[in-house]
Amino acid sequence: DAGVTQSPTHLIKTRGQQVTLRCSPISGHKSVSWYQQVLGQGPQFIFQYYEKEERGRGNFPDRFSARQFPNYSSELNVNALLLGDSALYLCASSLVTGNTEAFFGQGTRLTVV
Amino acid sequence: AQSVTQLGSHVSVSEGALVLLRCNYSSSVPPYLFWYVQYPNQGLQLLLKYTSAATLVKGINGFEAEFKKSETSFHLTKPSAHMSDAAEYFCAVSPNFGNEKLTFGTGTRLTIIP
Repeated sequence: DAGVTQSPTHLIKTRGQQVTLRCSPISGHKSVSWYQQVLGQGPQFIFQYYEKEERGRGNFPDRFSARQFPNYSSELNVNALLLGDSALYLCASSLVTGNTEAFFGQGTRLTVV
Repeated sequence: AQSVTQLGSHVSVSEGALVLLRCNYSSSVPPYLFWYVQYPNQGLQLLLKYTSAATLVKGINGFEAEFKKSETSFHLTKPSAHMSDAAEYFCAVSPNFGNEKLTFGTGTRLTIIP
């Protein structure tokens, strides 16, 4: 079975630009979460979506937004990119919310120059 | 707010030696604690989780962790290190029974010396 897939794997953007990252959950998984992992640090929670509704949001500015589609795939959008947005963006999916394991994708490495 | 602190950003052990990675938590309510491993250029893989069923938790790849409320600790151990254990390890806490909205520590890079 395919795991969580994220695209693209690597991305280079210029300050001020906008970027869209994509995540396809494991088949049957309805919950998707996004995390930002800056080099040398642990991942930080950005968003969780379940059944196309936002279920949680971390301490990130409004430049960050996300959505979940009817097929449970998800997009993370970041506007007005800053150098500090350079990070590995991880997507995790789980069957439902609550006591189920979240499976992580390999991430999208975003570099802002 | 819940948080975890990992002591030691880098740990080196010889192959076959005991692995001990430290994690302390800060929580006003019983926490749900996790250990994840991250290999280079890969995502995170769940090693084990504590959800109050038992204080000694066994995970994959021979790892285990013991929840000690009196010490607010959840240290990760493995009796005998293998070269394949070289990776980054993260302790994390969740506000609920599942592993949603995880708050991670800063990570410990484990190096295995041949």
